[in-house]
Amino acid sequence: KAGVTQTPRYLIKTRGQQVTLSCSPISGHRSVSWYQQTPGQGLQFLFEYFSETQRNKGNFPGRFSGRQFSNSRSEMNVSTLELGDSALYLCASSLVGADNYGYTFGSGTRLTVV
Amino acid sequence: KQEVTQIPAALSVPEGENLVLNCSFTDSAIYNLQWFRQDPGKGLTSLLLIQSSQREQTSGRLNASLDKSSGRSTLYIAASQPGDSATYLCAVRGAQKLVFGQGTRLTINP
Repeated sequence: KAGVTQTPRYLIKTRGQQVTLSCSPISGHRSVSWYQQTPGQGLQFLFEYFSETQRNKGNFPGRFSGRQFSNSRSEMNVSTLELGDSALYLCASSLVGADNYGYTFGSGTRLTVV
Repeated sequence: KQEVTQIPAALSVPEGENLVLNCSFTDSAIYNLQWFRQDPGKGLTSLLLIQSSQREQTSGRLNASLDKSSGRSTLYIAASQPGDSATYLCAVRGAQKLVFGQGTRLTINP
């Protein structure tokens, strides 16, 4: 069974540009969450989508946005990139209504802003 | 606001030792607690998931316990091996999100 797939694995962008990251969840998982990992802040919650609707959002500026498609695939967009956006972005999927189920994470996208 | 703390931040032990990693959380209103392993530059690998109604879970050489009322969980690793070297993260699930600790960086010396 295929795991959570994130593309691309690595990205280098210039300050001021925008970037789109993609996440394909495990088949049958309809909930997709995004997390940012940095050495200083650790893992921080960005947002969660279920059935194409954002259910919850973390404490990030509006430059960070996302969406989910009808096939449960999700994209995350960061506009007007700043140096501090350099991080490992992790996507996780979970079963629908899965308060009692765990999350499965992808390998992440390493974003470097120069 | 849920806060998760992991102690110690780093641990180095010789191969073959049994060891315990600690995780504490401030809000006991959780659905479950999950332990993950992360190798450098990689994603998270789920090790164990404990439901809020459970006391412990076991997988191979790993055993995780949960005391929800006191806000604590421990991950016990038996007969440690060099391949166990990684960062171990605990995360508690609240309303539609996971809250992570900062992790324990574990090094097993051959």
